[in-house]
Amino acid sequence: KAGVTQTPRYLIKTRGQQVTLSCSPISGHRSVSWYQQTPGQGLQFLFEYFSETQRNKGNFPGRFSGRQFSNSRSEMNVSTLELGDSALYLCASSFLSNEQFFGPGTRLTVL
Amino acid sequence: AQSVTQLGSHVSVSEGALVLLRCNYSSSVPPYLFWYVQYPNQGLQLLLKYTTGATLVKGINGFEAEFKKSETSFHLTKPSAHMSDAAEYFCAVSSNTGNQFYFGTGTSLTVIP
Repeated sequence: KAGVTQTPRYLIKTRGQQVTLSCSPISGHRSVSWYQQTPGQGLQFLFEYFSETQRNKGNFPGRFSGRQFSNSRSEMNVSTLELGDSALYLCASSFLSNEQFFGPGTRLTVL
Repeated sequence: AQSVTQLGSHVSVSEGALVLLRCNYSSSVPPYLFWYVQYPNQGLQLLLKYTTGATLVKGINGFEAEFKKSETSFHLTKPSAHMSDAAEYFCAVSSNTGNQFYFGTGTSLTVIP
């Protein structure tokens, strides 16, 4: 069974731009969570989607948004990028919600 | 509310020595507990998890952890460190509904030859 895939793996943007990241969960997994990982802050929870509905949300500004499609694939969008948004963005999928499977991440650099 | 505290952001051990990475949690409900490992430029990989049952949990690569409710701890151990164990380790907790995971800030393990 294929693992969680994230595209693109690397991304370079400039301040003020927007970006969309994609995550394809493991087949059959309906829950997708997104995390931001930075050296100083560790792993911070962004949001979780289940069956196309946002079920949980972390403490991030409204510039960070997401959605989930009927096939469980998920996207997250960051608008008006800031330098501090440079991070590794990790996506994780789960089936019965007692284990999360992580993708390799998207490394976003904001210049 | 749930949270995780990992004591020691950096731990160094000699090859062959005992590895002990500490994790304490707070949870108002019976927790599910996890240890993940992250190698450079990769995502997180599950090492082991505790949901219910036996409190001593064995994972991959020779790691194990013990759930101690009285101490609200879930420390990760390995009897003999290998060079390949050098990585970042994360402890996490979720509720038994599992809707949201809370991660510790991570412990970077260095193995000295």
